[in-house]
Amino acid sequence: QQQVKQSPQSLIVQKGGISIINCAYENTAFDYFPWYQQFPGKGPALLIAIRPDVSEKKEGRFTISFNKSAKQFSLHIMDSQPGDSATYFCAASLTGTASKLTFGTGTRLQVTL
Amino acid sequence: DTGVSQNPRHKITKRGQNVTFRCDPISEHNRLYWYRQTLGQGPEFLTYFQNEAQLEKSRLLSDRFSAERPKGSFSTLEIQRTEQGDSAMYLCASSAPPGGTNEKLFFGSGTQLSVL
Repeated sequence: QQQVKQSPQSLIVQKGGISIINCAYENTAFDYFPWYQQFPGKGPALLIAIRPDVSEKKEGRFTISFNKSAKQFSLHIMDSQPGDSATYFCAASLTGTASKLTFGTGTRLQVTL
Repeated sequence: DTGVSQNPRHKITKRGQNVTFRCDPISEHNRLYWYRQTLGQGPEFLTYFQNEAQLEKSRLLSDRFSAERPKGSFSTLEIQRTEQGDSAMYLCASSAPPGGTNEKLFFGSGTQLSVL
């Protein structure tokens, strides 16, 4: 059972554009929603995370929007740069379960010049 | 470099052989996790340790898999009688003692296993 669904599978954005990646979750008990960035040959690295008590969190060019009633959350990358080209994973977990994360299937982002 | 270190980076083995991977976490982190990632998929949780105690194992971890963390420092993941379906990237991650409500995972670069 896929508990976190992620879309799109791949995304091409021009430099300076906005990249948007969406995730939907099924388990309403999830209460921690991080986004990870992974470059080829590397492990995932935490980018930004949100808890359901807020609807939006912004860190630099990266923003998470969270819709608890729809059980959806999204990552927005403003002013996308070629260096942002990577695979992005959303994830979810329960407080008290350590960091046993359930990951989405990933979105391969390519930012073109 | 004080990040999570995994060795080897790549391992090619024949079906039926045993393999062992090593993970050295960030030194002050007492929690250590193993995840598995197949091509085009997100990482899947396998197991985690708090200090030397293995606290949880996923159903993905068949009896051919065993993980240890002696003395609460480095960890090893052994796969016995490897099968082609074991081919994947094996990721190790560590985290600091939980003091707040968030627990940030630091991942290593993984061990890529290919079973021929």
